[in-house]
Amino acid sequence: EAGVTQSPTHLIKTRGQQATLRCSPISGHTSVYWYQQALGLGLQFLLWYDEGEERNRGNFPPRFSGRQFPNYSSELNVNALELEDSALYLCASSLRQGFAEAFFGQGTRLTVV
Amino acid sequence: AQSVTQLGSHVSVSEGALVLLRCNYSSSVPPYLFWYVQYPNQGLQLLLKYTTGATLVKGINGFEAEFKKSETSFHLTKPSAHMSDAAEYFCAVSPTGNQFYFGTGTSLTVIP
Repeated sequence: EAGVTQSPTHLIKTRGQQATLRCSPISGHTSVYWYQQALGLGLQFLLWYDEGEERNRGNFPPRFSGRQFPNYSSELNVNALELEDSALYLCASSLRQGFAEAFFGQGTRLTVV
Repeated sequence: AQSVTQLGSHVSVSEGALVLLRCNYSSSVPPYLFWYVQYPNQGLQLLLKYTTGATLVKGINGFEAEFKKSETSFHLTKPSAHMSDAAEYFCAVSPTGNQFYFGTGTSLTVIP
């Protein structure tokens, strides 16, 4: 069974540009989570989607946004990139019910120059 | 509010020694608890989880953790460290089953 897949694995953007990161959850998982892992800051919760709806978002500015598609895959968009947006962005998926654990993808390394 | 505190951002142990990584949580409801491991430039992999039942939970790679409600702790242990255990370890709490709150991580170094 395929795990959570993220693309691209690496992304280099210039300050002010927009970045789009993609995530495909494990088959059957309806919840998708996005986390930012910047150096020395642990995992910061960004967004949670379930059944196509945004269920919760972390303490990030509105230029961080996303969506979940009918097939439960998800996109994270970061507008007006800033240097401090450079980080590993991790996507995770889980079943909606049953307090199941989250399964993580390998991440997208975003570098803003 | 929910939070996770991992005491010690860096822990070093000798190969063959006991590994103890500390995790304390705060939660308004009985939580579900997890430990994840992250190897360099990779995503997180589940080591073990506590949901209900037995408070001593065994995971992969010889790790185990004990849920102590009175101490609001979920410390991770392994009797004998191996070089391959060197990684970043994250404790996480899920109060509702739909949201995961992570600690800041503990970097484990194993000294040969």
